[in-house]
Formats: sequence, structure tokens, C-alpha cells
Amino acid sequence: AQTVTQSQPEMSVQEAETVTLSCTYDTSENNYYLFWYKQPPSRQMILVIRQEAYKQQNATENRFSVNFQKAAKSFSLKISDSQLGDTAMYFCAFMKISGTYKYIFGTGTRLKVLA
Amino acid sequence: KAGVTQTPRYLIKTRGQQVTLSCSPISGHRSVSWYQQTPGQGLQFLFEYFSETQRNKGNFPGRFSGRQFSNSRSEMNVSTLELGDSALYLCASSLSDGGGEQYFGPGTRLTVT
Repeated sequence: AQTVTQSQPEMSVQEAETVTLSCTYDTSENNYYLFWYKQPPSRQMILVIRQEAYKQQNATENRFSVNFQKAAKSFSLKISDSQLGDTAMYFCAFMKISGTYKYIFGTGTRLKVLA
Repeated sequence: KAGVTQTPRYLIKTRGQQVTLSCSPISGHRSVSWYQQTPGQGLQFLFEYFSETQRNKGNFPGRFSGRQFSNSRSEMNVSTLELGDSALYLCASSLSDGGGEQYFGPGTRLTVT
């Protein structure tokens, strides 16, 4: 069975600084997707970034980038130039591609950006 | 395009009662998944429906059930409510290819007293 672990329940960062959120996962699958989702306070969850396991190049989306280490089963999210609007819960998620798919989410990291 | 909608947004029930939650996916999305979100537990997968068929199921007791209609709208039902069922229930829809992104609704906040 797949598991996703986020070991940092809470983090804070000063505005304009850089912060890295950690995520590790366990799977015997070779083909899968990894995701970071963001859930702002009292707002809907939205996708931040996606990584296909077969791609060696790390995904980037503007100020958001990942460090994907497949052998180590590590998938961290780096937020550069943090903004107040980045304050949210961040969830790491795994989805296998073979067979029927379903998401496995981590327990989340609550990030607070300080002015 | 309208986003995923969930009704009702808030619900208060007493132990032993049953409840039905509704989810309308984004137009064209045929897959609907349900999650239970509680502090400290993150999102726990309940089940996923695709073309009116339950395609995946999480590790929840049989009190939790769901269905999907031909227009892809989905409902989930919880019978014999327990205090521990208090949670935010999220619905997410996605395209049929399973290619990844899920689009979440605002959730239904269920409180069991």
C-alpha cells in the first residue's frame, strides 16, 4: 500500500523569503504522479504543481518548484519570494497510474507567511 | 465553466441519524471522488465513482455509501451517525483519463452532536 508522509505539521516564513515543504512517500509502483495542493483558509483546494514520475526534470510553476528524488522517494516543494497569499495548508499527494487510480494524501503542512 | 459545487455547505445532525451530501462536478467530468478531512488526519479517501460505477473504495465502514447519477452528479450517505463522523467532506471531480488534476468543491462541514 502507498503512504505519503509530511513531517512538518506547521511552518512559518517571512514575506519574500524562500521556504521548503517536505514530503516522502512509499510505493512499489514505477509509474505515478505526485502533486502539491494548496488549501487557503476557508477556501477551496487547488492544484499547485504536478510531477510525473517518469520525468527526471523537476516541475516548476512560477514561484513554485519541486525537488523530486525518485530513488529516495522524496518530493519537496519550494516556494520562492513567499507572499501573504501563500498562507495555506499544503497537501502532498500520490496517484498511481496503473490500474484504477486513487489519490493518497499526506496529513498536510500549515504554512503561515509573516509580514 | 462552473466549478464543483457541494450542498449543503453546513449540516448539524445528532448521533444515530443519517445524512446525504450532494456534489455536482464540473461539466464534462465523469469521475467524482469523496474525501473526509479532519485535523491531524488530512484527507482520507472514501470512494470514487466513474460513469455511475464505484471504481475505488477507501477503508471506511459500510455506513458510508455513495452513488453517481447519469449526469455525473454524486451523492454520499452516512447512516447511523457517530460523533467521530464530524468532519469536512470534500468532493473532487476530474476528467475520465485519470491523468491527474482533481478539482475540489468547497466541502460540506458536518457536525454530529
